[in-house]
Amino acid sequence: KAGVTQTPRYLIKTRGQQVTLSCSPISGHRSVSWYQQTPGQGLQFLFEYFSETQRNKGNFPGRFSGRQFSNSRSEMNVSTLELGDSALYLCASSVTTVGDTEAFFGQGTRLTVV
Amino acid sequence: AQSVTQLGSHVSVSEGALVLLRCNYSSSVPPYLFWYVQYPNQGLQLLLKYTSAATLVKGINGFEAEFKKSETSFHLTKPSAHMSDAAEYFCAVSDESRGKLIFGQGTELSVKP
Repeated sequence: KAGVTQTPRYLIKTRGQQVTLSCSPISGHRSVSWYQQTPGQGLQFLFEYFSETQRNKGNFPGRFSGRQFSNSRSEMNVSTLELGDSALYLCASSVTTVGDTEAFFGQGTRLTVV
Repeated sequence: AQSVTQLGSHVSVSEGALVLLRCNYSSSVPPYLFWYVQYPNQGLQLLLKYTSAATLVKGINGFEAEFKKSETSFHLTKPSAHMSDAAEYFCAVSDESRGKLIFGQGTELSVKP
């Protein structure tokens, strides 16, 4: 069974640009969550999608957005990139909304903003 | 609000020694608790989870954790450290109402030969 796939693995962007990250969940999983990981702030929740609907959102500015497609694949978009957006972005999939359900993580996309 | 505190950002042990990584949680409802491991440039892998079935939870790679409600703790242990255990470990609590995991700051485990 294939795991969670995130593409690309590495990205370098310039301040002011926008970027789109992709996540393909495990087959059959309908919930996809995104997390930002930085040395200073640790792991922070961005948002969660379930059956194409955003159900939960963390405390991030509107520059951070996402969507989920009918096949459960999800994309995350960051517009007007800032240096502070440099981070490892992790996607997690689960059968349903995380409660006692295990969340499976992808390897992440390392975004560097210069 | 739910939260997780991991005591010690860095722990160093000798190969073969006991591993003890500390995690305390705050939750107004019975919690679901998790321990994840992250190797360099990798995502997170679940080690074990507590979902109220048993207070002593056994996970992969010889790790286990004990849920102690009176101490609001969920410490991770392994009797004998192996070099391959060197990684960063995260304790997390599930915030079911907000559909997210709340993570501790992480503990980096080093294993000395």
